[in-house]
Amino acid sequence: AQSVTQPDIHITVSEGASLELRCNYSYGATPYLFWYVQSPGQGLQLLLKYFSGDTLVQGIKGFEAEFKRSQSSFNLRKPSVHWSDAAEYFCAVDPQKAAGNKLTFGGGTRVLVKP
Amino acid sequence: GAGVSQSPRYKVTKRGQDVALRCDPISGHVSLYWYRQALGQGPEFLTYFNYEAQQDKSGLPNDRFSAERPEGSISTLTIQRTEQRDSAMYRCASSNWTGSGANVLTFGAGSRLTVL
Repeated sequence: AQSVTQPDIHITVSEGASLELRCNYSYGATPYLFWYVQSPGQGLQLLLKYFSGDTLVQGIKGFEAEFKRSQSSFNLRKPSVHWSDAAEYFCAVDPQKAAGNKLTFGGGTRVLVKP
Repeated sequence: GAGVSQSPRYKVTKRGQDVALRCDPISGHVSLYWYRQALGQGPEFLTYFNYEAQQDKSGLPNDRFSAERPEGSISTLTIQRTEQRDSAMYRCASSNWTGSGANVLTFGAGSRLTVL
């Protein structure tokens, strides 16, 4: 079945440490890929997206993500986490097949930042 | 407007009551989407519109849920005879997607519905 998996429900990281959030997808063809962040009381904000080309994409707030076709993964990274990065992060895919190109989201990873 | 605006931000209602949730998309955006997000889960697609036409309502859970966008701008999601299981965050998104290529959604802050 087509799906998006974020294996880590919670991640705790110290401020200044690096962060990596995992995302795996299960689709026949490479979908369009997105990472969104949800801060308390806020809407979902787009961090970055991958459509084609360079497999390492840069986003806002110092985040980057790498698309690996062989692993069907699109992991999100940040070299040095700030306390303001505490939030919930969602990976999403657009399969390019369904009419309307609606997004399918993973279950999310909640990031806690320790001082 | 500058962003996607949703109202009310919070709604508490009693089981059996009808509720209407409103979404005002970014000005000029053709496509409008409704998602539902249960606690601890990712958003799930409900329905979407191109202009005033409802193109896909495959995600609406049952016939108590309906949506409209009569003038191709503001949309209303209506839940009739609410049940406790309808409690969730309801998110609206809009985009300039016109049927081809990648679709980048801009989300509103959501309407949190609590059914007692």
